[in-house]
Amino acid sequence: NAGVTQTPKFRVLKTGQSMTLLCAQDMNHEYMYWYRQDPGMGLRLIHYSVGEGTTAKGEVPDGYNVSRLKKQNFLLGLESAAPSQTSVYFCASSSPGGASNTEAFFGQGTRLTVV
Amino acid sequence: SQQGEEDPQALSIQEGENATMNCSYKTSINNLQWYRQNSGRGLVHLILIRSNEREKHSGRLRVTLDTSKKSSSLLITASRAADTASYFCATDFNNAGNMLTFGGGTRLMVKP
Repeated sequence: NAGVTQTPKFRVLKTGQSMTLLCAQDMNHEYMYWYRQDPGMGLRLIHYSVGEGTTAKGEVPDGYNVSRLKKQNFLLGLESAAPSQTSVYFCASSSPGGASNTEAFFGQGTRLTVV
Repeated sequence: SQQGEEDPQALSIQEGENATMNCSYKTSINNLQWYRQNSGRGLVHLILIRSNEREKHSGRLRVTLDTSKKSSSLLITASRAADTASYFCATDFNNAGNMLTFGGGTRLMVKP
């Protein structure tokens, strides 16, 4: 049982480049989340999804897009990377009932540097 | 701004001592959760307390919730060096049960 898997684990981008971060979960969870974590700060919610084919904006959605074409996958896209997007990105998922009712499971993170 | 805020931001104690961390939040909630993050790793769920509960225990962890003050506390008793980590509280931002948001965390260091 792999849980939540993020790909890639590390990436260096040049300003203006695009990339997609992949999150996959094998727990049949309805809810999935993308967060960013900057040094000395907590996690800030970028986008989330309450089910296949649905997405919603979180606290800091600007500069990012997401898609949930399959229940087990949640993709985070950066169309034109900026240095301000240098961060560690975490994906999480939770079971039906919503994240506030059940625990969320996290991936190990993707460390992204934009130069 | 973030829904939850932890206090203190950093805490250093000796092994065997108790560690208390506090969390304040802004809007009404369904539940409040506490998570732990070891350096360079993802978050791991510790305990969940529902809005109609006032106290909950799990091993050496004790969580309290005061909805009138919009605050929660996490107590780790008889701390160990292995408890060194960052601790975060999390709540549902829009009280809809589907938008989990975190505070800034408390960095706990337990000295052997």
